Amino acid sequence: AQSVTQPDIHITVSEGASLELRCNYSYGATPYLFWYVQSPGQGLQLLLKYFSGDTLVQGIKGFEAEFKRSQSSFNLRKPSVHWSDAAEYFCAHYSGGYQKVTFGIGTKLQVIP
Amino acid sequence: DGGITQSPKYLFRKEGQNVTLSCEQNLNHDAMYWYRQDPGQGLRLIYYSQIVNDFQKGDIAEGYSVSREKKESFPLTVTSAQKNPTAFYLCASRRTSGVIAEQYFGPGTRLTVT
Repeated sequence: AQSVTQPDIHITVSEGASLELRCNYSYGATPYLFWYVQSPGQGLQLLLKYFSGDTLVQGIKGFEAEFKRSQSSFNLRKPSVHWSDAAEYFCAHYSGGYQKVTFGIGTKLQVIP
Repeated sequence: DGGITQSPKYLFRKEGQNVTLSCEQNLNHDAMYWYRQDPGQGLRLIYYSQIVNDFQKGDIAEGYSVSREKKESFPLTVTSAQKNPTAFYLCASRRTSGVIAEQYFGPGTRLTVT
């Protein structure tokens, strides 16, 4: 069964510092990968997605992610974090062939001044 | 504006009562989904539907039921058989034709059962 692992449940960074959130997936075929962000009590908003092509994808709000097949990873990065980036971030994987999307358990980001 | 609406935002029920959560989309998406979210557990799939009048159980379907009589609507009923119904419920939809597409999410309904 496909799975998505987000090894960091909580991350705290200082405002202005760089950020990397980790995501690993387990499935042999080329995956379709997503990063979503959720503010407290809200729905999820798509940050970026990877289907094929360039392994470095750009998203909204200054985020980017890099797909590394050899490491089965799709880590999310931002060069300089803003206080408004404090939220929960979810990595998701759609494997194709059926309509299910598998989500990681999420990483909660805290930004300190 | 196109999007997904869920109502109400907050819902309170007494134990033993069934309750139906509304989900409506005007994105013309074929696929719709219901997720349950609990702290520290991410999103868990309850039910999904790829087309009108068809739906499949997800990973935690016990104690829940759905219907898909219209393309725009995918209501979720939390029955009295659901042992721990208090949670945040998210509805999503997705286009299924053409290039693989992402899910769009509604704002969620927080259900509290006492």
